Amino acid sequence: DAMVIQNPRYQVTQFGKPVTLSCSQTLNHNVMYWYQQKSSQAPKLLFHYYDKDFNNEADTPDNFQSRRPNTSFCFLDIRSPGLGDAAMYLCATSRVGTGSYEQYFGPGTRLTVT
Amino acid sequence: AQSVTQPDIHITVSEGASLELRCNYSYGATPYLFWYVQSPGQGLQLLLKYFSGDTLVQGIKGFEAEFKRSQSSFNLRKPSVHWSDAAEYFCAVGARGSGNTGKLIFGQGTTLQVKP
Repeated sequence: DAMVIQNPRYQVTQFGKPVTLSCSQTLNHNVMYWYQQKSSQAPKLLFHYYDKDFNNEADTPDNFQSRRPNTSFCFLDIRSPGLGDAAMYLCATSRVGTGSYEQYFGPGTRLTVT
Repeated sequence: AQSVTQPDIHITVSEGASLELRCNYSYGATPYLFWYVQSPGQGLQLLLKYFSGDTLVQGIKGFEAEFKRSQSSFNLRKPSVHWSDAAEYFCAVGARGSGNTGKLIFGQGTTLQVKP
């Protein structure tokens, strides 16, 4: 089945130790999004890639970076995680430009910072 | 500014009872409209969407939603709730037109609890 896959599902990192979260998709969608979601809150968009074009949200901290080496994969890098970065990180994809704009979400990666 | 409001933070219904979750949006034109459901520790799953046409849309798991332009609303309904429907529900809107990158604006969510 076509899907959005996130690895790992659970990630524990130490304060200040860089961490990378992975997202892959078999949907061949042209847009990939990264969200941060804290408990009992709506997902907060960090940035997205429209094909190879990176689009950062104005309030996304510089501590968060992203890479999209090809259509299928997208990575979220947190350079120096703080305690406040503990959250669920959601990856989503969308096929924009063909009249179908819904986003498909992966299962998320739960990040714990110790 | 564009916004989505889900007035009810938490709703409790009895199993078998009907359900309506409210969603109001503020947008310059008719946006794309979505309802997503999220179970604990999981990603978001699309329940249904409105793009155009019939204002009553059917979704998965027996859910439906009605778009009312005059009220800027897109309320989600289900005639008979099952215990497995207990989850967080998010309403979202997306922009139309050129330059659209598919970004969504989410409401704050409504937590649904189902009593046996």
